[in-house]
Amino acid sequence: KAGVTQTPRYLIKTRGQQVTLSCSPISGHRSVSWYQQTPGQGLQFLFEYFSETQRNKGNFPGRFSGRQFSNSRSEMNVSTLELGDSALYLCASSLGDNSPLHFGNGTRLTVT
Amino acid sequence: GQNIDQPTEMTATEGAIVQINCTYQTSGFNGLFWYQQHAGEAPTFLSYNVLDGLEEKGRFSSFLSRSKGYSYLLLKELQMKDSASYLCAVRDPGYGQNFVFGPGTRLSVLP
Repeated sequence: KAGVTQTPRYLIKTRGQQVTLSCSPISGHRSVSWYQQTPGQGLQFLFEYFSETQRNKGNFPGRFSGRQFSNSRSEMNVSTLELGDSALYLCASSLGDNSPLHFGNGTRLTVT
Repeated sequence: GQNIDQPTEMTATEGAIVQINCTYQTSGFNGLFWYQQHAGEAPTFLSYNVLDGLEEKGRFSSFLSRSKGYSYLLLKELQMKDSASYLCAVRDPGYGQNFVFGPGTRLSVLP
């Protein structure tokens, strides 16, 4: 069974640009969550999608948005990039509320 | 509020046993999970406790005390490849069933 796939692995953008990250969950997993990981803040929850609906959202500005498609694939968008958005963005999928998260390898975003 | 604490760094010797502690204060509790993350890689799931007691999985064991808001991960017969960060996470129904992660403990295994 294929794991969680994230593309691209690395991305370099400049301030003010926008970026879209993609995530394909494990087959059969309908819940997809996004996390930001930085050395100073650790893993911070961004949002979670289940059956194309955003179920929960973390404490991030509106520049961070996402969506989920009918095949459970998810995208995350960050607009008007800031230097502080440089981080590892991790996508995770799970079977349901009593199941562990399975993470992808992440997208490392660098904003210059 | 939600707060999870872990030691920042630990060092141990190959072949030894190490215990990584985690204390949590969350608005709700629906399971405590341990993840391992090697540098530059994704976190991988290690263990899960929802009831009090010890769960054993090979060289790894995890313990939970819900009344004390406390868990530990025990690693036996340490190997060099166990050098990694270990993340404690609580699934919180008061947080939409989402995971609250601790800061992680960076374990270095020395020869």
